[in-house]
Amino acid sequence: EVQLVESGGGLVQPGGSLRLSCVASGFTFNTYWMNWVRQAPGKGLEWVASIKYDGSEIYYVGSVRGRFTVSRDNAKNSLYLQMNSLRAEDTAVYYCASGNRFDVWGRGTMVIVYS
Amino acid sequence: QSVLTQPPSASGTPGQRVTISCSGSSSNIGSNTVAWHQQLPGTAPKLLIYSNNQRPSGVPDRFSGSKSGTSASLAISGLQSEDEADYYCATWDGSLNAWVFGGGTRLTVL
Repeated sequence: EVQLVESGGGLVQPGGSLRLSCVASGFTFNTYWMNWVRQAPGKGLEWVASIKYDGSEIYYVGSVRGRFTVSRDNAKNSLYLQMNSLRAEDTAVYYCASGNRFDVWGRGTMVIVYS
Repeated sequence: QSVLTQPPSASGTPGQRVTISCSGSSSNIGSNTVAWHQQLPGTAPKLLIYSNNQRPSGVPDRFSGSKSGTSASLAISGLQSEDEADYYCATWDGSLNAWVFGGGTRLTVL
């Protein structure tokens, strides 16, 4: 069964940091682009970042560029999102999704930035 | 303000056919394929349509997608109560070098 499981969310103060993880199973992870998408409470989906299967290409939405870093470890079938200088507007459920069709989504992990 | 424009809401009665539109521009829908994602209440999104009109395995043929120029549409025929959900269109924007989602359409089955 194809599965994505996110972890690492939590409560953090503005300016703080968190590292999200996404573990993949059931497909050949090292042949897929991987993505992070977030959803603020009561709002729509917002793409955050994407990374090519070998890590050679990375893209970010403008609002997180310079603060967030996406990476992957193909040996561990894992995707990461290092989030620094967090702001209240980063509060959201963060989903990882596989492929350039966003074929499969995880259940998400909640990040709350509060003061 | 989303790059892709969807109506915020849509509704229909059981058995009806409803369509949801997604309007973009030449840098996104006009030059790339469109996907649609369904988000049932309290759950993660799920891929419903890819490459404008292709259904992943397991998606009923009641769901269909189309694209013309800089707009795309999702059609749901034989509407069922379990179709009540939020629907999002998505595509790549070559000018922004970014994936873009529509603002979402909440479908209510009356």
